[in-house]
Amino acid sequence: GDSVTQMEGPVTLSEEAFLTINCTYTATGYPSLFWYVQYPGEGLQLLLKATKADDKGSNKGFEATYRKETTSFHLEKGSVQVSDSAVYFCALGSSNTGKLIFGQGTTLQVKP
Amino acid sequence: DAGVIQSPRHEVTEMGQEVTLRCKPISGHDYLFWYRQTMMRGLELLIYFNNNVPIDDSGMPEDRFSAKMPNASFSTLKIQPSEPRDSAVYFCASSFGQGKGGSYEQYFGPGTRLTVT
Repeated sequence: GDSVTQMEGPVTLSEEAFLTINCTYTATGYPSLFWYVQYPGEGLQLLLKATKADDKGSNKGFEATYRKETTSFHLEKGSVQVSDSAVYFCALGSSNTGKLIFGQGTTLQVKP
Repeated sequence: DAGVIQSPRHEVTEMGQEVTLRCKPISGHDYLFWYRQTMMRGLELLIYFNNNVPIDDSGMPEDRFSAKMPNASFSTLKIQPSEPRDSAVYFCASSFGQGKGGSYEQYFGPGTRLTVT
């Protein structure tokens, strides 16, 4: 069945460091791909999305490119801030079931 | 738009009591999802509705859990009787046009933190 695998956390970085959080997926058909972010004590918020191969989603300095050939959707940011500390979830929209399939989440901690 | 609204935000109850969680989806959205989040199991989909009809309840852990959607603007998740292992954060999410060429984007509420003692 459809699945999403994220790199395990926690990831700890210094402010202004470069961020990569890896995400790979297994799916039939042509799913949409998402990154959601969860700040402490809050619900999940959509960070960015891509709906077809080679699309690049971007928001708040974060980017991710839908790579069909490597079945990946890695999240990147050139310079992280303390305020980016949160849990990040990769997800795919399953064309088989209509559900969102989430990865296990990756905790990011940014230190000043 | 006010976004997805959930109530209560926090609920503390004793084992054996009935608990009812409430959700108001974003107006115009035709899909509604209930999730549970714990440290041990992460984020789990419990049940989802399309146009007020339950589509998939395979994630509902057991018969103590039930969910209803009497109209397009309201849903409940009920646990009866509650047990300590039900302690978790319960999220409601809604979306529009999922599976109809849409992008499956879901909007989450702030969650209800349930503690069963």
